[in-house]
Amino acid sequence: DAGVIQSPRHEVTEMGQEVTLRCKPISGHDYLFWYRQTMMRGLELLIYFNNNVPIDDSGMPEDRFSAKMPNASFSTLKIQPSEPRDSAVYFCASSGTGVSSYNEQFFGPGTRLTVL
Amino acid sequence: GENVEQHPSTLSVQEGDSAVIKCTYSDSASNYFPWYKQELGKRPQLIIDIRSNVGEKKDQRIAVTLNKTAKHFSLHITETQPEDSAVYFCAASNPLTGGGNKLTFGTGTQLKVEL
Repeated sequence: DAGVIQSPRHEVTEMGQEVTLRCKPISGHDYLFWYRQTMMRGLELLIYFNNNVPIDDSGMPEDRFSAKMPNASFSTLKIQPSEPRDSAVYFCASSGTGVSSYNEQFFGPGTRLTVL
Repeated sequence: GENVEQHPSTLSVQEGDSAVIKCTYSDSASNYFPWYKQELGKRPQLIIDIRSNVGEKKDQRIAVTLNKTAKHFSLHITETQPEDSAVYFCAASNPLTGGGNKLTFGTGTQLKVEL
């Protein structure tokens, strides 16, 4: 498996523009997580899905952020309109439900977003 | 919800010395504690984890200890090498709340191993 795939790897946009980040989880994994990482706030969980259903979106900072998972192999995180304070690295991670309740989260390479 | 505190935020050691990073958690029902290593510009990767039914786990030069009574756990790296330089994150999870493997991360420790 190629691991968790994210695109784009880098995104530079201007304030007010719409930004869409994409993620393909590891095949067979039924949990998908979106994180945001900044120097000031560390690694923050934004939202996570189980079997394509959003379970907890309490970490989504505001209504400008939305996430979808239309099928088991694809998820998007959208920011509309974007603001300079949204600049961060956004990670997608996935994990599977095995015989154990403890399952490793595998992270994608991240998308570095810069909003000018 | 769970709250994880991590100390120190930065740690500098001489090559060959040991490094210890400590974390505390608030949810007494948490029972899974992984540690992730993140090299500069890379993704976090799991290096070791511990479940609540054990007090210590070791894998070559790294070890993790868990004290459930005090609600703290620690990462120990012995014989540090330059390639150990990275940011280390602790995390905690209670599979019975929030579902699956939702992790609450600590704020990270920047470890620098000096020659």
